[in-house]
Amino acid sequence: DADVTQTPRNRITKTGKRIMLECSQTKGHDRMYWYRQDPGLGLRLIYYSFDVKDINKGEISDGYSVSRQAQAKFSLSLESAIPNQTALYFCATSDPDLSYEQYFGPGTRLTVT
Amino acid sequence: AQSVAQPEDQVNVAEGNPLTVKCTYSVSGNPYLFWYVQYPNRGLQFLLKYITGDNLVKGSYGFEAEFNKSQTSFHLKKPSALVSDSALYFCAVRAPISGAGSYQLTFGKGTKLSVIP
Repeated sequence: DADVTQTPRNRITKTGKRIMLECSQTKGHDRMYWYRQDPGLGLRLIYYSFDVKDINKGEISDGYSVSRQAQAKFSLSLESAIPNQTALYFCATSDPDLSYEQYFGPGTRLTVT
Repeated sequence: AQSVAQPEDQVNVAEGNPLTVKCTYSVSGNPYLFWYVQYPNRGLQFLLKYITGDNLVKGSYGFEAEFNKSQTSFHLKKPSALVSDSALYFCAVRAPISGAGSYQLTFGKGTKLSVIP
């Protein structure tokens, strides 16, 4: 089984709808991240969490919220989706003892119409 | 601020030829540098990293990268390209998170590598 899993893998939703993207990991890492990927822009950090009680905004957090339900689970929510949130979303984990090398999930392709 | 730049959006190379994907960095202090690869419909996979030591770093799938401090570069290389190497490649640098006493990874914009049969 994959170490970092994301559900759903693909989602089409309408403007104004609330949507949640879920991430689970079996690597035992405390640190988890949410990124979005847009063509030509690379990966941009949305939120990160260093443990269940430590959640922080990244460079593009507006319009998003997160929940760290357990060490292994980190969810990303779009409270009211808009078309420019159409993107590929990745969850990642890391271990600071491994020089912050990150391990990525397979991604969720989100389309907001 | 710590950053990396990938000057080429796309690199085309013939199968069997050597390939190079370029990355330059801007950091204060000693750089921690990474290369990741993204195959179609897949997440990013770690290829290799430079922390300290030998300037030539060997990684997965026959890739290697050369750290050059004077040129602030960390180019990804492979002696003989395969069609299956066609993918999107990202360079990344460890960057401090302001006020957090910890680090994140800052990624370049990616380079699409196409290996032509």
